Amino acid sequence: DQQVKQNSPSLSVQEGRISILNCDYTNSMFDYFLWYKKYPAEGPTFLISISSIKDKNEDGRFTVFLNKSAKHLSLHIVPSQPGDSAVYFCAASAGAGGTSYGKLTFGQGTILTVHP
Amino acid sequence: AAGVIQSPRHLIKEKRETATLKCYPIPRHDTVYWYQQGPGQDPQFLISFYEKMQSDKGSIPDRFSAQQFSDYHSELNMSSLELGDSALYFCASSSTSGEYNEQFFGPGTRLTVL
Repeated sequence: DQQVKQNSPSLSVQEGRISILNCDYTNSMFDYFLWYKKYPAEGPTFLISISSIKDKNEDGRFTVFLNKSAKHLSLHIVPSQPGDSAVYFCAASAGAGGTSYGKLTFGQGTILTVHP
Repeated sequence: AAGVIQSPRHLIKEKRETATLKCYPIPRHDTVYWYQQGPGQDPQFLISFYEKMQSDKGSIPDRFSAQQFSDYHSELNMSSLELGDSALYFCASSSTSGEYNEQFFGPGTRLTVL
């Protein structure tokens, strides 16, 4: 039962353009969402997160949008750079906000390739 | 800034052997999580510890056990290893003093069972 889904296994974008990575979830108990970037043979690197009380969070070139009614979130990268090429994982947790629990449930990942 | 440290980075074991993976969280982080990532799969939650007590348990086999020590480092002990245990094992840490549960991952231990 895949509670977090990234339906696009890969995405190819030209340098300077926008990259949009999508993620859907089914568990309505999820209230905190994160995006991680992962290079081969390295651990996931935290990028940006959003709480369910918000619908948008922005950090530099990265913006995450959350549509709770559709149980959908997306990561926008503008402008895309070749160094952004990596696997991007969407993750979700329930009961966040200063609690001791909060295991992450990950999507399958999307391979982003940014061409020069 | 200090990051999560995992050792060893690579480990090769035979079937039915035992392995111990170590994790050193970011200083002042009070929660440690273990995840397993099989080939071509997303990371799967195994177990977590908050203030040295087990706080949550996922799909961790009974052959595996883990603990968090007084210095907050954690060890994942794996016995009777099987071929299917070959995977990347990630440790992550977070702080409950933060507003949200942002987990920071270590580089992982690649376990190969032959």
